[in-house]
Amino acid sequence: AQRVTQPEKLLSVFKGAPVELKCNYSYSGSPELFWYVQYSRQRLQLLLRHISRESIKGFTADLNKGETSFHLKKPFAQEEDSAMYYCALNTGGFKTIFGAGTRLFVKA
Amino acid sequence: DAGVTQSPTHLIKTRGQHVTLRCSPISGHKSVSWYQQVLGQGPQFIFQYYEKEERGRGNFPDRFSARQFPNYSSELNVNALLLGDSALYLCASSYDGLNTEAFFGQGTRLTVV
Repeated sequence: AQRVTQPEKLLSVFKGAPVELKCNYSYSGSPELFWYVQYSRQRLQLLLRHISRESIKGFTADLNKGETSFHLKKPFAQEEDSAMYYCALNTGGFKTIFGAGTRLFVKA
Repeated sequence: DAGVTQSPTHLIKTRGQHVTLRCSPISGHKSVSWYQQVLGQGPQFIFQYYEKEERGRGNFPDRFSARQFPNYSSELNVNALLLGDSALYLCASSYDGLNTEAFFGQGTRLTVV
């Protein structure tokens, strides 16, 4: 079955510390992976997608097909990074499967 | 452009009733997808419509139905409401529903009592 797992419901780090939000997926084909973010009182929005291989707001994510992972990383967390982060999988069609989300809290 | 707009923002219904949720996509977008988000979980795919045709549906009962109009706006209908239907219902629009970025609305919070 196609599935996205985000093992941490909550991740709390200090400002300036590195951040890694974990995401593992289950899919035997060629996946398309995304990270979505939802800031307080704002709507869900796309943060980055693996095919673009770009850094957005200092965040990067590398697709590791061997480990079926797509972890989101940032070397130095900022307070404004505090938000809900969702990893999502698209298997080449119309359906996107979301993980349960990880709430990131960056402490001053 | 105001982005994807959904109405109403909040709704309270009684078990057994019917509800209609509405979504207006971004101008130029031809695809609308509907998601259900239960508290503490990620969005779960319900339907996608493209050019007024249903392209696919998720694992939801037949009580859930949707349609897309010529102006690409969409309605999600849920019949015979159950307490478990209480959730945030999200609409997302994109140009083609496949390879282009999806933009989400603010959601409709449905409470079934």
